[in-house]
Amino acid sequence: DAGITQSPRYKITETGRQVTLMCHQTWSHSYMFWYRQDLGHGLRLIYYSAAADITDKGEVPDGYVVSRSKTENFPLTLESATRSQTSVYFCASKELAGSTDTQYFGPGTRLTVL
Amino acid sequence: AQSVAQPEDQVNVAEGNPLTVKCTYSVSGNPYLFWYVQYPNRGLQFLLKYITGDNLVKGSYGFEAEFNKSQTSFHLKKPSALVSDSVLYFCVVRDTGSARQLTFGSGTQLTVLP
Repeated sequence: DAGITQSPRYKITETGRQVTLMCHQTWSHSYMFWYRQDLGHGLRLIYYSAAADITDKGEVPDGYVVSRSKTENFPLTLESATRSQTSVYFCASKELAGSTDTQYFGPGTRLTVL
Repeated sequence: AQSVAQPEDQVNVAEGNPLTVKCTYSVSGNPYLFWYVQYPNRGLQFLLKYITGDNLVKGSYGFEAEFNKSQTSFHLKKPSALVSDSVLYFCVVRDTGSARQLTFGSGTQLTVLP
């Protein structure tokens, strides 16, 4: 199916474990983003990517690692999960050019770190 | 740095009455403003945007937003609320950098009472 998908949708892990959240989009959008959503904070940008092999930090990057070897995939890794990383994570994508600047969001991954 | 404020965490309105969800912003330069909605357990969906031109912007599902430069506001409005409008609304501002990152407000939960 076309669109942007995230997996897993729900994940429970323990403090100190490594976790990877997957994001896949079928539009060949150049830009991809990772956000976390916490009560009272709206969405905050963790990392973004302008193209394959180009990534940059957002507002809250500490404790996270990203890679983008292919345009369609943008995995987010928590190298050593902490309880403060319990959150809902959203991936988004948008086209490189054009006036819309509209980002398209995946359904989210709810991560619980025990 | 840019910022967005949604002063109300919760807004209640009776079905059929007009609704307003408030938003104020702070940016350097010309503002690019958006409203997104979030349905339960789903990602965000684009509702409408202001880039330039007419101060009254019309979006999906009968929503509109009024851009007011002097008051730095971008309030979301609808003439007649529906129970199905009861979702979470985010006001968003886009930065002027190359990545055109989005900064989200903290969100306003709208409840339309039948």
